[in-house]
Amino acid sequence: ETGVTQTPRHLVMGMTNKKSLKCEQHLGHNAMYWYKQSAKKPLELMFVYNFKEQTENNSVPSRFSPECPNSSHLFLHLHTLQPEDSALYLCASSQATGGYEQYFGPGTRLTVT
Amino acid sequence: GENVEQHPSTLSVQEGDSAVIKCTYSDSASNYFPWYKQELGKGPQLIIDIRSNVGEKKDQRIAVTLNKTAKHFSLHITETQPEDSAVYFCAASAAEGAQKLVFGQGTRLTINP
Repeated sequence: ETGVTQTPRHLVMGMTNKKSLKCEQHLGHNAMYWYKQSAKKPLELMFVYNFKEQTENNSVPSRFSPECPNSSHLFLHLHTLQPEDSALYLCASSQATGGYEQYFGPGTRLTVT
Repeated sequence: GENVEQHPSTLSVQEGDSAVIKCTYSDSASNYFPWYKQELGKGPQLIIDIRSNVGEKKDQRIAVTLNKTAKHFSLHITETQPEDSAVYFCAASAAEGAQKLVFGQGTRLTINP
């Protein structure tokens, strides 16, 4: 495995629920990312964190709220989602400086009912 | 912004034959081009990458070529094996540290025994 873990692996939630996705990297990296992978669409970058600071928000709706308490952990808080938010949510990590390679976790398969 | 087009969307080859997947990009400032392999139920795995200062890179049965003038790059897999069956994604980035990856739509490669 890649050293990036995500929990839960599967999540079903109603449109009024609040849930959180968790990502942890064991690679000593200091940049972390959230991506969305929908059927028949390319992977879409959502957020980038460098040294715990958010440096990129790719016009993501406010019903997705990221949190990065330290360089090893990343959360995605979800509330009042829509059915079209059903997708595979992938976390990745990399070195923030001098490094290019991004390493992905296995993803959380989210279904919004 | 950057746009990456990937072709074909599906590719089926006989075991032992070669497979080629092609991508074009739009932003001439892009300087980093990774390829990812995604197997069922897993996150994307980096298999090879190339930076804009080289035209070709090889790693055993896998090679990537880059034509900056034409703004396209290709993945070549030789002597294909059943375990090469997966979805392959190309990506491009012009950002510092390659943090803003823009992905192609993916190619589902099937190796027929």
